[in-house]
Amino acid sequence: GIQVEQSPPDLILQEGANSTLRCNFSDSVNNLQWFHQNPWGQLINLFYIPSGTKQNGRLSATTVATERYSLLYISSSQTTDSGVYFCAVILQGGSEKLVFGKGMKLTVNP
Amino acid sequence: NAGVTQTPKFQVLKTGQSMTLQCAQDMNHEYMSWYRQDPGMGLRLIHYSVGAGITDQGEVPNGYNVSRSTTEDFPLRLLSAAPSQTSVYFCASSLLWTGSGNTIYFGEGSWLTVV
Repeated sequence: GIQVEQSPPDLILQEGANSTLRCNFSDSVNNLQWFHQNPWGQLINLFYIPSGTKQNGRLSATTVATERYSLLYISSSQTTDSGVYFCAVILQGGSEKLVFGKGMKLTVNP
Repeated sequence: NAGVTQTPKFQVLKTGQSMTLQCAQDMNHEYMSWYRQDPGMGLRLIHYSVGAGITDQGEVPNGYNVSRSTTEDFPLRLLSAAPSQTSVYFCASSLLWTGSGNTIYFGEGSWLTVV
């Protein structure tokens, strides 16, 4: 099956710093999404971004489908950005099955 | 607007017992799904439904049953609980299928321990 690799697995930042999270996938996809899980377990869908670039406030995401990777940028990080970030994909030509990466834990210290 | 509601939030089962995790959404979403989250594994799809009366298996369906008799409800049944089913379970919904780009909404999770 498709492999979804996220890096780095863990990242610790000081408030105000910028960060880039990377998601590599092993096959062509027609759906890529980014999610944030806060320290209390709540999951939020951040972006649907199968290709191109999107921005939402301090967060932006870019997917280069031909090179099979996506990047999530967090600028001027805040403590509320802490948690685990997941990317998830659906294989091109596949079914409805969203395949998640293992996640990347971000800790933003005040 | 309640969104996606899961019950119970916490449950301890003995090996061999059965139980049902309830999931309800009030957003008139067609697509609903169940995931389990284990440490270091991310979320894995158990079962999903693209509409009332239609369900299909995900990545890890063994030991679980689902049905979708109404648009609003998508219960997950554990037929004979095993310690390997100790996990956090999330129900999710979106207006249409996951490839459509609609926002996916998650419930708050159900923490299940099988002893």
